[in-house]
Amino acid sequence: QVQLQQWGAGLLKPSETLSLTCAVYGGSFSGYYWTWIRQSPGKGLEWIGEINDSGGTFYNPSLKSRATISTDSSKNQFSLRLSSVTAADTAVYYCARGTWAARLGFWGQGTLVTVSS
Amino acid sequence: DIVMTQSPDSLAVSLGERATINCKSSQSVLYSPNNKNFLAWYQQKPGQPPKLLIYWASTRESGVPDRFSGSGSGTDFTLTISSLQAEDVAIYYCQQYYSDPPLTFGGGTKVEIK
Repeated sequence: QVQLQQWGAGLLKPSETLSLTCAVYGGSFSGYYWTWIRQSPGKGLEWIGEINDSGGTFYNPSLKSRATISTDSSKNQFSLRLSSVTAADTAVYYCARGTWAARLGFWGQGTLVTVSS
Repeated sequence: DIVMTQSPDSLAVSLGERATINCKSSQSVLYSPNNKNFLAWYQQKPGQPPKLLIYWASTRESGVPDRFSGSGSGTDFTLTISSLQAEDVAIYYCQQYYSDPPLTFGGGTKVEIK
């Protein structure tokens, strides 16, 4: 049974860098899409970006190049860094695994990140 | 970006009755080489991450009850819950993965019991 367990700092000040990690248990790491999504309080879902099964990275243009997604296959982990955060980046952040056919098949439990001075 | 528009924003259905949620994309999400629509449906309950229900517009994810079904092609899609159960109370989202970046989601439809 695949499980995605995520962690990272939950409280940041404006201009700091958000850093989250997602560990994958019970499944292969190669051959999948690894994705980060966020959900602002009471709002809908926003796709942040992904690393695909070929190692290519794609990001939401709305984040204006502030996001970086990376993988560490030796640890079965992938990470998100989001620089220069503001209050608008306050959200629950989710990691997810998927395939070309079903892009977001398994989700992590979510991490609430609050940006406040 | 492909804009996904869901309707209605919310609906209340009696237990055992049918619930129908609509999703419209601003451009076609039909991938011609394999004739598949790159459209997925998710269910989100309070305090939980979304759960994949349907992918390729109509393929049910493993373990999803068969009262959930997806239909449609091109730009117009529907998620149907044939006989609403109490555990189906949730917010449902459609999502296109035909064109990225970015993948985009609909605004969500809240399903409640009447």
